[in-house]
Amino acid sequence: EPEVTQTPSHQVTQMGQEVILRCVPISNHLYFYWYRQILGQKVEFLVSFYNNEISEKSEIFDDQFSVERPDGSNFTLKIRSTKLEDSAMYFCASSGRDNYEQYFGPGTRLTVT
Amino acid sequence: RKEVEQDPGPFNVPEGATVAFNCTYSNSASQSFFWYRQDCRKEPKLLMSVYSSGNEDGRFTAQLNRASQYISLLIRDSKLSDSATYLCVVNGRPGYSSASKIIFGSGTRLSIRP
Repeated sequence: EPEVTQTPSHQVTQMGQEVILRCVPISNHLYFYWYRQILGQKVEFLVSFYNNEISEKSEIFDDQFSVERPDGSNFTLKIRSTKLEDSAMYFCASSGRDNYEQYFGPGTRLTVT
Repeated sequence: RKEVEQDPGPFNVPEGATVAFNCTYSNSASQSFFWYRQDCRKEPKLLMSVYSSGNEDGRFTAQLNRASQYISLLIRDSKLSDSATYLCVVNGRPGYSSASKIIFGSGTRLSIRP
């Protein structure tokens, strides 16, 4: 069964450093997303992406964040200068042509020290 | 009012019991509705979509009431493996020319005891 994959599973970084989180969506999916979940809190939408551009972004997704689809398979989330409050689980998701059901990757746990 | 609201629980029920969760949403323009389950420190996994006519998948039944902006999930003959957090999820306005975000409730914790 096709699945979304994410790397790394855990990333530890120092405050102010740049991180890139990587995702490989399901191969025939067209719509891509990033969400985050701070420990003990609900899953929050960050950004959606379709046809090589951002479709929608939340207030959390400020100038420190960017997304890219550098090739036909990867979808990345970059945080330029990490803050302590960026520590969270980051989930990538993708959905198919009907754009309804979203399938999530296993997540990257980001710890900013 | 929260966009998606759920009773946080926890619900603690014996194996074999029937349990029901409810969820309300605030945006009457919402188009699609889902139940996801999330195990501790894992990703949300799609359990089922919720259709206007209601739908069933094995022991799981989902209902949608658009007039009341209310979604429910019923689990029959609960198993130990059903222990998880159940997330009510609402999609705004999916379209073919853009990717639509989904909004998660805070989840309802379910614990099944032997």
